[in-house]
Amino acid sequence: GESVGLHLPTLSVQEGDNSIINCAYSNSASDYFIWYKQESGKGPQFIIDIRSNMDKRQGQRVTVLLNKTVKHLSLQIAATQPGDSAVYFCAEKRMDSNYQLIWGAGTKLIIKP
Amino acid sequence: EAGVAQSPRYKIIEKRQSVAFWCNPISGHATLYWYQQILGQGPKLLIQFQNNGVVDDSQLPKDRFSAERLKGVDSTLKIQPAKLEDSAVYLCASSLVASGNTDTQYFGPGTRLTVL
Repeated sequence: GESVGLHLPTLSVQEGDNSIINCAYSNSASDYFIWYKQESGKGPQFIIDIRSNMDKRQGQRVTVLLNKTVKHLSLQIAATQPGDSAVYFCAEKRMDSNYQLIWGAGTKLIIKP
Repeated sequence: EAGVAQSPRYKIIEKRQSVAFWCNPISGHATLYWYQQILGQGPKLLIQFQNNGVVDDSQLPKDRFSAERLKGVDSTLKIQPAKLEDSAVYLCASSLVASGNTDTQYFGPGTRLTVL
């Protein structure tokens, strides 16, 4: 079964505020995590990744935090914009699954004007 | 750099009919993936190719689904005969190397299949 899950199916955020999307995983052997953004009618788009030997990684307006103690991953989007509206998936890879992507169900981010 | 191309973008068929999807990966990418994505869910891997060989097809319903990547570039996914539960978006993705835990997969826009 799935080992990557999301706490909330929908997140509504005011434009300009920061968004935090959370993800839990169950397998401590997971060694690589990826966040994808999927806009309506499009394929998933890579946003940012993080290896298990790191606890934080920053990109342009996005930060991923990894807490291995509680097996928790989060994606923070700064100054959320209308173009950030999408479904966000966390996915993991681990050696015992041949490094196949294991996907969570997704969180839909809604931006309020 | 051109992305992953897929066609058609939309397809509507009746159950028991056949359908085929086409994918052209990013140039130079050795690995190609086909995923099925049911509405509201994450993608489910159907088959993974490395060049023209199959790496993993454990979740491909082989009684009705088939895929090939004869020359190690383009790929086709076929469903014959289609069932109602095959209605989904079929995503193609590619990655540069054959394996590796940090290799990024790049996705095409998908083909939305509706089976009536």
